Amino acid sequence: DAGVIQSPRHEVTEMGQEVTLRCKPISGHNSLFWYRQTMMRGLELLIYFNNNVPIDDSGMPEDRFSAKMPNASFSTLKIQPSEPRDSAVYFCASSDSGGSDTQYFGPGTRLTVL
Amino acid sequence: AQSVTQLDSQVPVFEEAPVELRCNYSSSVSVYLFWYVQYPNQGLQLLLKYLSGSTLVKGINGFEAEFNKSQTSFHLRKPSVHISDTAEYFCAVSEAGAGSYQLTFGKGTKLSVIP
Repeated sequence: DAGVIQSPRHEVTEMGQEVTLRCKPISGHNSLFWYRQTMMRGLELLIYFNNNVPIDDSGMPEDRFSAKMPNASFSTLKIQPSEPRDSAVYFCASSDSGGSDTQYFGPGTRLTVL
Repeated sequence: AQSVTQLDSQVPVFEEAPVELRCNYSSSVSVYLFWYVQYPNQGLQLLLKYLSGSTLVKGINGFEAEFNKSQTSFHLRKPSVHISDTAEYFCAVSEAGAGSYQLTFGKGTKLSVIP
């Protein structure tokens, strides 16, 4: 298996622009997670999907952030409009289920908002 | 809710020396415990996990960790480190049981192996 695939790997944009991050989870996994990693706050869970349904979006910072999972093999995280404080590495992870199962992380998207 | 404290933000160690990376957690319920490693410019990769049973858990790359319930600790150890072990290590905790999903991560410990 190719593992979790994320695109793009790097994104540089200007404040106010829309940014879309993409994720393809491991085939057969029914749980998908979006995380944000910053120096100040470490790794934070943004949103959790189970069977394509958002279960917990309490970590989404504000209305500028939205996430979708239209099918079992694709998810997007969108920021509109982007701000410099959104600069971070965004990770997507998938697992067979929650709890004891291992979460497999993608390589991440490094977002820089100027 | 759970929390994780990694006591050292940076640990330098000479090649072939032993290392211990410390992790303490706080929880009012039973937990699962994990150690992940992050190499530069990569995602996180599972090293090992404790779910139940034996308190000594062996993982990949020669790492092991011991669950100590009374001290609420899950320290990671390796008897002899290599240059390739230079990376950032994250301890994480989740609530035990079906239906739980949220991993709470520590702030990470950067291990630097010195030739």
